[in-house]
Amino acid sequence: QQQVKQSPQSLIVQKGGISIINCAYENTAFDYFPWYQQFPGKGPALLIAIRPDVSEKKEGRFTISFNKSAKQFSLHIMDSQPGDSATYFCAAFSSYNTDKLIFGTGTRLQVFP
Amino acid sequence: SQTIHQWPATLVQPVGSPLSLECTVEGTSNPNLYWYRQAAGRGLQLLFYSVGIGQISSEVPQNLSASRPQDRQFILSSKKLLLSDSGFYLCAWSVLGARRSGNTIYFGEGSWLTVV
Repeated sequence: QQQVKQSPQSLIVQKGGISIINCAYENTAFDYFPWYQQFPGKGPALLIAIRPDVSEKKEGRFTISFNKSAKQFSLHIMDSQPGDSATYFCAAFSSYNTDKLIFGTGTRLQVFP
Repeated sequence: SQTIHQWPATLVQPVGSPLSLECTVEGTSNPNLYWYRQAAGRGLQLLFYSVGIGQISSEVPQNLSASRPQDRQFILSSKKLLLSDSGFYLCAWSVLGARRSGNTIYFGEGSWLTVV
């Protein structure tokens, strides 16, 4: 019940296309859902995050869509660029649990020009 | 602003040798501290986390240990490395008690460990 399931494992998108990464969770106590971006050889960095009281959050070309009833959330990258090529991790956190995030297994995104 | 330092950046160690990875955080007090491991091309596995000096929680049984001798210092150790200990080790921190504001975790640059 503490897991966050992420798909796909890898994704290839052409420049200008839309990249979509999906995550699902079971624990209804989760109340904070961040996405992290990791470039090769670097530590992950926070990209965007959402709380379950909103269904969508947009920051530039990055949008999180959140479906509370389905316990699913997804990352959309509009107008994908080669510089977006990285591994993306979704994560979930519960305010009622200890101070740790539960991470998905990651999606390796490759954007080709 | 807060910064996190982790070293060494790369390490090649023989099987059976000891390990010490160190991490320090600047610009904040009383942070939560974490050690994660990432095998090549894989996800993030939480190894240890600490909510205060001397307070260490272990997530997975292994031959690694962690210590927090000072508020902003976190050390990952092993007495005898195994081949399976190879990976990318990441130290991370978050604001203690930031429950309602979301527990954003900030990662260091990582340490590549190759056990040969």
